[in-house]
Amino acid sequence: TQLLEQSPQFLSIQEGENLTVYCNSSSVFSSLQWYRQEPGEGPVLLVTVVTGGEVKKLKRLTFQFGDARKDSSLHITAAQPGDTGLYLCAGAPQGAQKLVFGQGTRLTINP
Amino acid sequence: NAGVMQNPRHLVRRRGQEARLRCSPMKGHSHVYWYRQLPEEGLKFMVYLQKENIIDESGMPKERFSAEFPKEGPSILRIQQVVRGDSAAYFCASSPTRSTGELFFGEGSRLTVL
Repeated sequence: TQLLEQSPQFLSIQEGENLTVYCNSSSVFSSLQWYRQEPGEGPVLLVTVVTGGEVKKLKRLTFQFGDARKDSSLHITAAQPGDTGLYLCAGAPQGAQKLVFGQGTRLTINP
Repeated sequence: NAGVMQNPRHLVRRRGQEARLRCSPMKGHSHVYWYRQLPEEGLKFMVYLQKENIIDESGMPKERFSAEFPKEGPSILRIQQVVRGDSAAYFCASSPTRSTGELFFGEGSRLTVL
């Protein structure tokens, strides 16, 4: 069983389109993080959301933390080929001292 | 400001051999995490260590796998008697504090078992 479920697992769209990736759980998290991983490299942190209902923007990327702190979404506006990569959400279960990751969303933006 | 350094980047072993993967955390970081990643999948937690202590090894297989983070030197993930199913990318991450904030990842060690 996966503590953090990401959907979709694969997404291929054309340059200029908008997209949303979801990260869901039945558990409450004190915070959730989004990472991006490119082939042959380690994940790199994009953002951390901490407060329920919080919205953070990073250029064309908008991250939202659910009110109940059980889910999060990543919305990309006007996707570009450079956005191609594996997007991972991660969170620490309450009481745990480790981050668990979702299975990832592999995003491909076609020129 | 060197990042997390992992070596080797690529390792090929035959079944039954041993694999040793090394990780030097970022300067000033005393918390190290090891994750395993299979192709097209996310990261699976294996073990969390601080200097000379294993804090959480709930993700480590009970047999053949061990990890250490000595007072001096890098953290080492050791896999004995490797099998084909051990083929994966192994990522090390470090953080400066005990809290589950940002993890800084290395570029990974890719193990192939023939």
